[in-house]
Amino acid sequence: GAGVSQTPSNKVTEKGKYVELRCDPISGHTALYWYRQSLGQGPEFLIYFQGTGAADDSGLPNDRFFAVRPEGSVSTLKIQRTERGDSAVYLCASSIGLASDTQYFGPGTRLTVL
Amino acid sequence: DQQVKQNSPSLSVQEGRISILNCDYTNSMFDYFLWYKKYPAEGPTFLISISSIKDKNEDGRFTVFLNKSAKHLSLHIVPSQPGDSAVYFCAVAVSGSARQLTFGSGTQLTVLP
Repeated sequence: GAGVSQTPSNKVTEKGKYVELRCDPISGHTALYWYRQSLGQGPEFLIYFQGTGAADDSGLPNDRFFAVRPEGSVSTLKIQRTERGDSAVYLCASSIGLASDTQYFGPGTRLTVL
Repeated sequence: DQQVKQNSPSLSVQEGRISILNCDYTNSMFDYFLWYKKYPAEGPTFLISISSIKDKNEDGRFTVFLNKSAKHLSLHIVPSQPGDSAVYFCAVAVSGSARQLTFGSGTQLTVLP
């Protein structure tokens, strides 16, 4: 079956611009996660959705970052007034929604802020 | 303040030999531990996991060992194959509460033919 997909695969933008990154989870997965991976680091947790609601957004670095999942499937990560430090690979993962179940990752979106 | 540390950024092993990747964590609240493998331009792929009630879990060529007193886990791959060459991340979580995974910085494994 289809895995987690993310679009675009690459995004180059200028400092101060607004960007949206999209994630399509595995069909039937109720839990969705966003992570950010900077060069030489492991993925860092940003936000977790259970269904339509953000169950844990403690990893969002500041209020320029926002994510939605209006119908409990596709999610969009939105970054306002981008900064060069936002450059990273943004990873999305989904899982069935049970405790300690496996998270399946998409290929990520590489964001470059010039 | 890193909660999960993989102190070896890289490891080279001859094909057919054992690969041992190590991971240390600081918080004794963590009770669920995972290893992910990552190829370039792909997302991390789940490999194997272990809960704190066990000290060993085996799946084919992959075995994860957990030493709770030392707050240390390791992944053994035997025999190593060239296709195992990838970045390996350990990840930890508190089961039943927070769903977020906390990852180490990864170890690049190269298996030489």
